Amino acid sequence: DTGVSQDPRHKITKRGQNVTFRCDPISEHNRLYWYRQTLGQGPEFLTYFQNEAQLEKSRLLSDRFSAERPKGSFSTLEIQRTEQGDSAMYLCASSSDGIRGQYFGPGTRLTVT
Amino acid sequence: GDSVTQMEGPVTLSEEAFLTINCTYTATGYPSLFWYVQYPGEGLQLLLKATKADDKGSNKGFEATYRKETTSFHLEKGSVQVSDSAVYFCAPAAGGTSYGKLTFGQGTILTVHP
Repeated sequence: DTGVSQDPRHKITKRGQNVTFRCDPISEHNRLYWYRQTLGQGPEFLTYFQNEAQLEKSRLLSDRFSAERPKGSFSTLEIQRTEQGDSAMYLCASSSDGIRGQYFGPGTRLTVT
Repeated sequence: GDSVTQMEGPVTLSEEAFLTINCTYTATGYPSLFWYVQYPGEGLQLLLKATKADDKGSNKGFEATYRKETTSFHLEKGSVQVSDSAVYFCAPAAGGTSYGKLTFGQGTILTVHP
C-alpha cells in the first residue's frame, strides 16, 4: 500500500492557461474524491467517482473544471482558462466504502499569477 | 446540506494539559463521523472515526464519542504533547447518493508548548 499520490505537487501558471492534475488512489479503493482547500479553511468537496462513474459534482465546480477517471483507476482534474481565484490546494482522496474514512494524497498546490 | 461547527481556535496549551475540541454537525440521517489531523507541512490524516451512535473512536490517545442526541463529536485527549501541534478537522460523511462525501469544519489550530 503506497498511499494516494498526486502529481504535480506544485503548479504555477498564468491566468488563462489550462492545467491538469493527476491522482493515483490506493489500488483496491473504488471511490475517489476531489476537494479544494484554501488557506485557513477546511477542504471543500468538488466531485467524486465510484469506479469510472462520476456520481456527484459540487456547485463549486464551474464549467471550466472537468474530471475523469478512465477505467476506474487514476483520475485527472482539468481546469481550463485558469483564474486567480482558482489558486488553492487540490486534494484527492480514496476509500473502499463510505464509512471507513478516506485517505488523502499530499495535494497539488496551484498558484495562478 | 451537511454542515459542521468547530470550536474556534487557535487553542494554545502547555504539555500534559487536557484537550477538548468541540464539534457539532447537521446532517441527514446518521452519518459516520471523522476527525482528521493536518500536521505542519503534511497532508490530511485520518485520526479516528465512529460509525454509529454511542460509538467511541480512539487513536494515539485521542477519543471522540458519537452523540446522536446532541449531534456532537467532541475530540478529547488527556495529556497533550508538543507533537500534537496541528490543525484538527471534524467531518461527517454523507449518506445516500453522496455516500462517503466529507463535509469539513473550518479546522482548529492547536499549539502545544513545552
